[in-house]
Amino acid sequence: GAVVSQHPSWVICKSGTSVKIECRSLDFQATTMFWYRQFPKQSLMLMATSNEGSKATYEQGVEKDKFLINHASLTLSTLTVTSAHPEDSSFYICSARDWTGPSLGGYTFGSGTRLTVV
Amino acid sequence: AQKITQTQPGMFVQEKEAVTLDCTYDTSDPSYGLFWYKQPSSGEMIFLIYQGSYDQQNATEGRYSLNFQKARKSANLVISASQLGDSAMYFCAMREGTSNTGKLIFGQGTTLQVKP
Repeated sequence: GAVVSQHPSWVICKSGTSVKIECRSLDFQATTMFWYRQFPKQSLMLMATSNEGSKATYEQGVEKDKFLINHASLTLSTLTVTSAHPEDSSFYICSARDWTGPSLGGYTFGSGTRLTVV
Repeated sequence: AQKITQTQPGMFVQEKEAVTLDCTYDTSDPSYGLFWYKQPSSGEMIFLIYQGSYDQQNATEGRYSLNFQKARKSANLVISASQLGDSAMYFCAMREGTSNTGKLIFGQGTTLQVKP
């Protein structure tokens, strides 16, 4: 089945530094990738939608200059948290439409990245 | 704007019994898809079941079934014969439309604990 590889699984960084998270679709072309953020015991909140070769669409309230998304190829999308601060500590997870599985296209999720900013 | 609501923050069920997790939704789009996911403590999202808005029959996948009541805009998940491994957080999610960029929006989640 469709697989999305997300790296790193966890990362600890110092306040003020930037962190890049990668999501790769291994056996299908992901023209659209979604990025979510999840605080402990809370829901997945959609941050942005990235389309290959174009600018990402950010949800209301998400700082596009802080969360840089690049979708340069059909198999790779990256999320960079710039100038990270402790409040950015969270679980970040990506998802891609894989057009397999359930009718009209399912979603494949990465395994998530746990970011801790100290 | 679409909205997904899960009103049960936490649920307990005895092993081998059935449990229903509630989900209601709100959308003006006649074409939509409803999903249920399981998220164990590891964080991975495990797809359980899907119901399309035009599907005539309730979806079933093994021990999982979806009680789809379109007029009431509800899509409850029924887990039969609960197992200890079912303990996890469960999310209901909805996609509007059929386009390639259809966003998946999640409910608040329900934490299920299965008691031995």
